Amino acid sequence: DAGVTQSPTHLIKTRGQQVTLRCSPKSGHDTVSWYQQALGQGPQFIFQYYEEEERQRGNFPDRFSGHQFPNYSSELNVNALLLGDSALYLCASTWTEAPRDTQYFGPGTRLTVL
Amino acid sequence: AQKVTQAQTEISVVEKEDVTLDCVYETRDTTYYLFWYKQPPSGELVFLIRRNSFDEQNEISGRYSWNFQKSTSSFNFTITASQVVDSAVYFCALSEGPGGSYIPTFGRGTSLIVHP
Repeated sequence: DAGVTQSPTHLIKTRGQQVTLRCSPKSGHDTVSWYQQALGQGPQFIFQYYEEEERQRGNFPDRFSGHQFPNYSSELNVNALLLGDSALYLCASTWTEAPRDTQYFGPGTRLTVL
Repeated sequence: AQKVTQAQTEISVVEKEDVTLDCVYETRDTTYYLFWYKQPPSGELVFLIRRNSFDEQNEISGRYSWNFQKSTSSFNFTITASQVVDSAVYFCALSEGPGGSYIPTFGRGTSLIVHP
């Protein structure tokens, strides 16, 4: 039973570019959340998707957007990259009947913005 | 507003020592949930425990134990007889019910280094 998978593992971009990160939830999970983890910090919630809609959003600018597909996989898009966007981006999944905060995390995508 | 404080940035111990990781939280809610996660160098957050605010019983799972004290707003984590494989960053987190919509707020983490 595959866990949460994310791609790519690492990514290097330059300021002003756009990036798309991908996440496949654990089998049987229908809810996906994205977190940003800067170096030396704890993860910070970006947003959560359920039934292909953004259900909740953290304190992140509109440059951060997402999408959930019918198969529950999800994408995180970041436009107009800034140096401060360099971080580990974590995807987490859960399922409807579970407590929303019972989440399974993927290994993350390390984004470096130069 | 909710807040989680992990005052210990880094702890270094020798294998077989016991180690306690501190976590202090702030919340106005009476219903809330506390978590500990482990993050090894691979980056994936590994769930260790979820505890609700109405259950103050201490819990033991193998070499791991958790001490939840509402009176001091603390949820400390102890590893007994530490092993090199315990080396990781450990995060404490807090989530609140409908108002907070169950989105966890994480502390800054404590890096545990266990030397052989």
